[in-house]
Amino acid sequence: QSVLTQPPSMSAAPGQKVTISCSGTSSNIGDNSASWYQHLPGTAPKLLIYDNNKRPSGIPDRFSGSKSGTSATLDITGLQTEDEADYYCETWDSSLSAVLFGGGTKLAVL
Amino acid sequence: QVQLVQSGADVKKPGASVKVSCKSSGYIFRRHGISWVRQAPGQGLEWMAWISLYNGNTNFAQKVQGRVTLTSDTSTNTTYMELRSLRSDDTATYYCARDRHPLVAAPYYGMDVWGQGTTVTVSS
Repeated sequence: QSVLTQPPSMSAAPGQKVTISCSGTSSNIGDNSASWYQHLPGTAPKLLIYDNNKRPSGIPDRFSGSKSGTSATLDITGLQTEDEADYYCETWDSSLSAVLFGGGTKLAVL
Repeated sequence: QVQLVQSGADVKKPGASVKVSCKSSGYIFRRHGISWVRQAPGQGLEWMAWISLYNGNTNFAQKVQGRVTLTSDTSTNTTYMELRSLRSDDTATYYCARDRHPLVAAPYYGMDVWGQGTTVTVSS
């Protein structure tokens, strides 16, 4: 059971938009910035979003992030079949002095 | 380019130790800390530990504290993670990952470059 709560799975059609939520507490998301990663089986995780809403170079603007209070959100617009992957939120927890990952969301693009 | 290259897969018996290496290239080694993250089969990502390559400070997840040692070799730009007293539930793919932000006191700001992963199987 992860401290950061994500929906285990989501699905949407190509071209549509999906919103993945990440719910935390005042000691983690509420107190620190959130990052998001895309993880395809057999590959290394890829940083998609950092500092809640910033994209590293090379990440398409179809991916965007936001934070409100103790929750963070990843939006993916114009879904493509290659977006089918696991998505994880991540942040620092000030009380635990530890990095936390959400449980992950398996996104199907049908 | 910035790259982290990890050692190869390993198979260990319960109770043994494993040491995984992570060689950095393409950036100033001491400026960015390294985290270790693992993924057990069918499970999500789990952060294990972090080391500052600037001052040697470390942070550990409670679950593995006492069984993990992090070290580094600045002559080869390599970081090592040793996990002792292995159990079957330590079977996982282990990743090293670089702090996105340089010279931080803890891994506050995310990880921007990841190694390719090292599969460790614990089996009798």
